Amino acid sequence: GQSLEQPSEVTAVEGAIVQINCTYQTSGFYGLSWYQQHDGGAPTFLSYNALDGLEETGRFSSFLSRSDSYGYLLLQELQMKDSASYFCAVSPMDSNYQLIWGAGTKLIIKP
Amino acid sequence: EAQVTQNPRYLITVTGKKLTVTCSQNMNHEYMSWYRQDPGLGLRQIYYSMNVEVTDKGDVPEGYKVSRKEKRNFPLILESPSPNQTSLYFCASSLLSGGEQYFGPGTRLTVT
Repeated sequence: GQSLEQPSEVTAVEGAIVQINCTYQTSGFYGLSWYQQHDGGAPTFLSYNALDGLEETGRFSSFLSRSDSYGYLLLQELQMKDSASYFCAVSPMDSNYQLIWGAGTKLIIKP
Repeated sequence: EAQVTQNPRYLITVTGKKLTVTCSQNMNHEYMSWYRQDPGLGLRQIYYSMNVEVTDKGDVPEGYKVSRKEKRNFPLILESPSPNQTSLYFCASSLLSGGEQYFGPGTRLTVT
């Protein structure tokens, strides 16, 4: 089957750097996406990696390594507003427009 | 303003009473999808649609129906709701499945 694994919860300190990992088992996919969801809110798009390597968007960066079946989201200069759940998702090549999602990582930031 | 709208936002109903949750997007997106979100399980795809009159099952389609008669609308239909369909539902749209998905605000459904 196809699945994505993420840690259920990560704790970090305000101002620090945190990395949220996503490992996957899938035969092939077009790209790896990351979404943020605050409590009570809808998921919002953060980044998309179609190719291996690092994509940077402000304080957030996302990395993909297809050879290692692994990706991560890196958040720098953590702010209290970054407290949220983060989801990785892939679009498998054999599932025509379907998306497979990880269960999400709850990021807790302490002052 | 580019957006996805869902109605109703909250709904409490009883087992067996048919209901429809509407979803509409104003971005001319071809791809639309319905998800349910339950604690600890993340987002699970119910149905998706690649274009008008083209729909397909996601991971958890049992007990749900959808239709795509117009590009902007993608209603979710529960013909005979059961308590295990109590969940938070999200509609989403995008140009392509692998690209950025725009989510609606969510519909919290309780079936008693």
